[in-house]
Amino acid sequence: DTGVSQNPRHKITKRGQNVTFRCDPISEHNRLYWYRQTLGQGPEFLTYFQNEAQLEKSRLLSDRFSAERPKGSFSTLEIQRTEQGDSAMYLCASSLAGGTADQFFGEGSRLTVL
Amino acid sequence: ELKVEQNPLFLSMQEGKNYTIYCNYSTTSDRLYWYRQDPGKSLESLFVLLSNGAVKQEGRLMASLDTKARLSTLHITAAVHDLSATYFCAVDLSGTYKYIFGTGTRLKVLA
Repeated sequence: DTGVSQNPRHKITKRGQNVTFRCDPISEHNRLYWYRQTLGQGPEFLTYFQNEAQLEKSRLLSDRFSAERPKGSFSTLEIQRTEQGDSAMYLCASSLAGGTADQFFGEGSRLTVL
Repeated sequence: ELKVEQNPLFLSMQEGKNYTIYCNYSTTSDRLYWYRQDPGKSLESLFVLLSNGAVKQEGRLMASLDTKARLSTLHITAAVHDLSATYFCAVDLSGTYKYIFGTGTRLKVLA
């Protein structure tokens, strides 16, 4: 399968624990995006990378959230000291730079904080 | 700040009927995207609209873009049950490649 891959698909954790999500983009895509989606809402932009450079991170929800893309391929999104309000679906998307820049989304990682 | 609004938020319609979903946005943008999302699933790209007056059609769905009015429409023709899903529009905040999504329209097609 050559689509966007995310794991784990579902993570249940206790409040205060750290969690990390991984995203593997479509192989030829150099842009990678993270979104958060809560129940009944549209996805909310968090951050994006072009290759390994993080070009926008002002929308990361707090300093507990961080993202990396160390070699310009896969990316990780880490949430430290999780809170119940962090419970959501975390979506990753990838695209080519230029052209239509159409973003293709992964299946998402659902976080439940108890 | 760019805001994207969709209406209606919920739509229940009979099979065979036609209806239109509206997507309004608040600032200049010339790129608009429509996605479909089934419950518990990710987003499936439906249409990419890149210029004023753009119209795209796929099966029973047709999307259009009026950048002057800051409005896009998604028209459903002769709805079938398989079209039941949530539909999102997203606007590319010009030059930033950040998508700002609308609130979504939850469509239920009744047999």
